[in-house]
Amino acid sequence: AQSVAQPEDQVNVAEGNPLTVKCTYSVSGNPYLFWYVQYPNRGLQFLLKYITGDNLVKGSYGFEAEFNKSQTSFHLKKPSALVSDSALYFCAVRDGAGGSYIPTFGRGTSLIVHP
Amino acid sequence: IAGITQAPTSQILAAGRRMTLRCTQDMRHNAMYWYRQDLGLGLRLIHYSNTAGTTGKGEVPDGYSVSRANTDDFPLTLASAVPSQTSVYFCASSTTGVGTEAFFGQGTRLTVV
Repeated sequence: AQSVAQPEDQVNVAEGNPLTVKCTYSVSGNPYLFWYVQYPNRGLQFLLKYITGDNLVKGSYGFEAEFNKSQTSFHLKKPSALVSDSALYFCAVRDGAGGSYIPTFGRGTSLIVHP
Repeated sequence: IAGITQAPTSQILAAGRRMTLRCTQDMRHNAMYWYRQDLGLGLRLIHYSNTAGTTGKGEVPDGYSVSRANTDDFPLTLASAVPSQTSVYFCASSTTGVGTEAFFGQGTRLTVV
């Protein structure tokens, strides 16, 4: 079975400071990891993904994520936060070994960037 | 613009009534999904379909049914709505490759009273 955990319901950061939104996962085989963002009253939008290769993945809007196999983590990061980054962020996983294409989502982390 | 369209955007429904949430995609994705989003619970899978003509149950299927008559459409039906089905419903689609991302509709906000 595949699962993903986002240990923080909310992350607060000042504008201009670096931000990290945490995600850990559990899969049987190779993990395929995704981050999505949801703005108020909107659907989820894809940000970035890790399939294979470099552990540091770059995505939309200046976001990046670091894959750490030993810690089974895929934390989302941004060097300098913007107020407009305030949104709900979801981590998702697909298990390559299980052959399941169905993504499993975490509970979401609300990111609040203060001016 | 290619993507997923959900209808209606919002709905207030009397308990006991039947309701169908519509979902259409134009990306020719084989896989489609229905999720519900509730505060503190994140996204929970209701039903899915990996190709036209086949469907499967997700984590919270009770009280819901789906059909997949063709590639583009994946309607979700509440046969007899109950207040606990008050939620925001999202339809999504993807290819069946594990390395591909999902695309989401804008959601349907359903209130059962």
